[in-house]
Amino acid sequence: GEDVEQSLFLSVREGDSSVINCTYTDSSSTYLYWYKQEPGAGLQLLTYIFSNMDMKQDQRLTVLLNKKDKHLSLRIADTQTGDSAIYFCAESIDTDKLIFGTGTRLQVFP
Amino acid sequence: SAVISQKPSRDICQRGTSLTIQCQVDSQVTMMFWYRQQPGQSLTLIATANQGSEATYESGFVIDKFPISRPNLTFSTLTVSNMSPEDSSIYLCSVVGRPGTGERLNTEAFFGQGTRLTVV
Repeated sequence: GEDVEQSLFLSVREGDSSVINCTYTDSSSTYLYWYKQEPGAGLQLLTYIFSNMDMKQDQRLTVLLNKKDKHLSLRIADTQTGDSAIYFCAESIDTDKLIFGTGTRLQVFP
Repeated sequence: SAVISQKPSRDICQRGTSLTIQCQVDSQVTMMFWYRQQPGQSLTLIATANQGSEATYESGFVIDKFPISRPNLTFSTLTVSNMSPEDSSIYLCSVVGRPGTGERLNTEAFFGQGTRLTVV
């Protein structure tokens, strides 16, 4: 079955890097996504990676994909207080429906 | 990118009543998806709304409880029927960008702002 797991909580100091991890079980996933959800807000697509890539960089964000281990990570460089939110990874398979991870709450302190 | 508008943004409803949530997209898309996010939880797919055919429901969700309409390529509704407090959630619609023709134009999945439903 499909199962996407994340650690529940991450706390970092402002200016440090944050690494949010995600593991998934379906090897047929085609795209993997990272979403950000701030309190009371909708989902914001941060970035995505195609399953035949192993890295994607977009400004402060770096996505690493280890397809063999079914492990996805999101690194946020120079983390700011505005990055405090819940981060969801998600995988898409066959029909474009998304299977979401459990979410990681990132807290950034000064 | 796609712009998705959902209405209402929030509502408080009495148990036993029904609420219809609307989702409008600014471009034609083949598939629209409805998700539920229960308090403090992740998102769970309810169903895929297909234009011109019945929606496809995920395990644990049934048409009688969550009827869906998809009258055209830019609009869908989700109804939460005979509500109970356990239905209190955020309901979100989503599209994967791809206007009209059947091919995947891009890979980005966009979400509406969600409808925050509280059932009392």
